[in-house]
Amino acid sequence: KQEVTQIPAALSVPEGENLVLNCSFTDSAIYNLQWFRQDPGKGLTSLLLIQSSQREQTSGRLNASLDKSSGRSTLYIAASQPGDSATYLCAVRQLQAGTALIFGKGTTLSVSS
Amino acid sequence: DTGVSQDPRHKITKRGQNVTFRCDPISEHNRLYWYRQTLGQGPEFLTYFQNEAQLEKSRLLSDRFSAERPKGSFSTLEIQRTEQGDSAMYLCASSYISEAGELFFGEGSRLTVL
Repeated sequence: KQEVTQIPAALSVPEGENLVLNCSFTDSAIYNLQWFRQDPGKGLTSLLLIQSSQREQTSGRLNASLDKSSGRSTLYIAASQPGDSATYLCAVRQLQAGTALIFGKGTTLSVSS
Repeated sequence: DTGVSQDPRHKITKRGQNVTFRCDPISEHNRLYWYRQTLGQGPEFLTYFQNEAQLEKSRLLSDRFSAERPKGSFSTLEIQRTEQGDSAMYLCASSYISEAGELFFGEGSRLTVL
């Protein structure tokens, strides 16, 4: 059974710092991995989608990497801002077990000014 | 394109009542998904449709839950005889028909069962 783990569960940093959020998954047979942002009481906003054949994706100050063989992904946020404060979720789509995304519990990021 | 739309955004009901949520996906998306999220947890898959066909249901979807997508456009999720344990955020997402497709989520419908 696929399990997705995100470490740390919570992170507090001062504005301007670069930071890395970690995501690990137990079954490497995946189609893709998607990173989302969720603000309190809101839905999920897609940040980056990495296909299984890709190593990384970039969007603005965000860079996501994927090492499928080791079951790991990282989300790098450069020059963090208070507006980046949110919960970040990663999710994987498996090859054989239907089409459902399997989510981690998220990392809650707080960026102080 | 206005994205995925969900209604109502908030619903407070008494235990034992029935509730229905509606989801309007992105117009050209063929797949529609329902997820449930409780506080401090990641979203959990409930069910998904490809066009009007319900192709997969999670074990979380008890017989009190029913979902429909009658014309392959909007979808409804009904919960009968609500219980306090049903209190959660119900999220809808849509995507193109593709295992590689990116999911886009709505703002969710928060259910509180008193």
